[in-house]
Amino acid sequence: NAGVTQTPKFRVLKTGQSMTLLCAQDMNHEYMYWYRQDPGMGLRLIHYSVGEGTTAKGEVPDGYNVSRLKKQNFLLGLESAAPSQTSVYFCASSGLGLPSYNEQFFGPGTRLTVL
Amino acid sequence: GQQVMQIPQYQHVQEGEDFTTYCNSSTTLSNIQWYKQRPGGHPVFLIQLVKSGEVKKQKRLTFQFGEAKKNSSLHITATQTTDVGTYFCAPNRDDKIIFGKGTRLHILP
Repeated sequence: NAGVTQTPKFRVLKTGQSMTLLCAQDMNHEYMYWYRQDPGMGLRLIHYSVGEGTTAKGEVPDGYNVSRLKKQNFLLGLESAAPSQTSVYFCASSGLGLPSYNEQFFGPGTRLTVL
Repeated sequence: GQQVMQIPQYQHVQEGEDFTTYCNSSTTLSNIQWYKQRPGGHPVFLIQLVKSGEVKKQKRLTFQFGEAKKNSSLHITATQTTDVGTYFCAPNRDDKIIFGKGTRLHILP
C-alpha cells in the first residue's frame, strides 16, 4: 500500500497563476484533510472532507477550493496564487469514526513557492 | 475559544539528557493526540490520550494527560539522535484535531 500520496512534490508559481494539488489515499479512508505548514505556525487546517462529494472549511480556507469527486482523491485548488500562499501543503486521511479520535495518516507534502 | 499553547518552542539537549514538552489548554479537552515530524518529513502519529490522568509509555517516551484534562506532556528519557524533530500536540476542538505550534528538539552530540 502506498498510503497517502501527493503530487506534485514541488512547484513554483507566479502571482495570479492557478494550480491544483492532488492527494490520493489507498486505505479506503472516509476523511481527508488539507493542511498548510508555515515556519513557527504548526499545521493549520485549510479544508476537509467527511466523505465522497462533501467538503467543509477549516481554519484558513480563504483563497483555496477543494473537491472530493472520488473517495480516494482530494484536490486542493488555488485559483489565483498569492505570495502569502507560499507554504508546505500536507494532505492527510483518517478512517471511520470521529476525526478527532482517529489517527491521521499524512502524505509527504508539496512545497509551493509563489513569486 | 479554546486556546492551546505548546512549550517550549525550541529545545536543545545533549544526547543522553531528558526532554519534556508541554501542551496547555484554557479549556477541558476531550482527548489529545501527539505527532512527531522529522526534519524534511511529514507528521507521524505517536499516541492518543483520552482518560483523565492517563499515562502511556512507548519505550523511552512517556505521555501524560492531566487530571483536569487541560494539559498534556511528552517526556523522552535519555534522548538519542533519532529523537530529533518537531513534536506536536493535537487536541480535539469541535470534533476536529487542531495542531499546536510544536516543539522543535535539537540533539547536541
